[in-house]
Amino acid sequence: GENVEQHPSTLSVQEGDSAVIKCTYSDSASNYFPWYKQELGKRPQLIIDIRSNVGEKKDQRIAVTLNKTAKHFSLHITETQPEDSAVYFCAASPIHTGNQFYFGTGTSLTVIP
Amino acid sequence: EAGVAQSPRYKIIEKRQSVAFWCNPISGHATLYWYQQILGQGPKLLIQFQNNGVVDDSQLPKDRFSAERLKGVDSTLKIQPAKLEDSAVYLCASSIVAGGQYNEQFFGPGTRLTVL
Repeated sequence: GENVEQHPSTLSVQEGDSAVIKCTYSDSASNYFPWYKQELGKRPQLIIDIRSNVGEKKDQRIAVTLNKTAKHFSLHITETQPEDSAVYFCAASPIHTGNQFYFGTGTSLTVIP
Repeated sequence: EAGVAQSPRYKIIEKRQSVAFWCNPISGHATLYWYQQILGQGPKLLIQFQNNGVVDDSQLPKDRFSAERLKGVDSTLKIQPAKLEDSAVYLCASSIVAGGQYNEQFFGPGTRLTVL
């Protein structure tokens, strides 16, 4: 099955700096890559997603890039704010699984005011 | 719209006891998922339903776990008997069906299970 690796496991940045989280996947059939944010004790919530026919997608301070050849994708958060502090999960969904998500192990982001 | 509902939010049991979790997906969402999230890890899919049929339960430890979605809406996940390693957050998620297109999964708040 699909295997998603995520790095780093923890990340601390100063407020206003950028944060980058990287993921790799193993199944070339993966065509959809969502990113979820999970605040302490709360449910995961989708923050951005990208489909395989697009190389980059941006939504205000958040952007995701996808390199299908290298099988990796990254989340970029610019101008970080304290409320960005949370655990971020990447996921990959192979086309043959009917919308099943395979999650990475998570990155705990701390934004220091 | 109302989100995915789960209950209970917390459960503490002794090993070898049984426990059940309940999930009510977003209205109109045909696909329902149960995940197990062990502390410090990402959610791991246990079972996926499409309406009241099982799409994939290959990761469900069937000797102790069972799940059903009898009327294609609410779902229950049961563990019997529980083991220490079952301590985790159990997340329910739902999504719409849109032929061949990937869709956001909406998650419930989860049930935190502690097995002593």
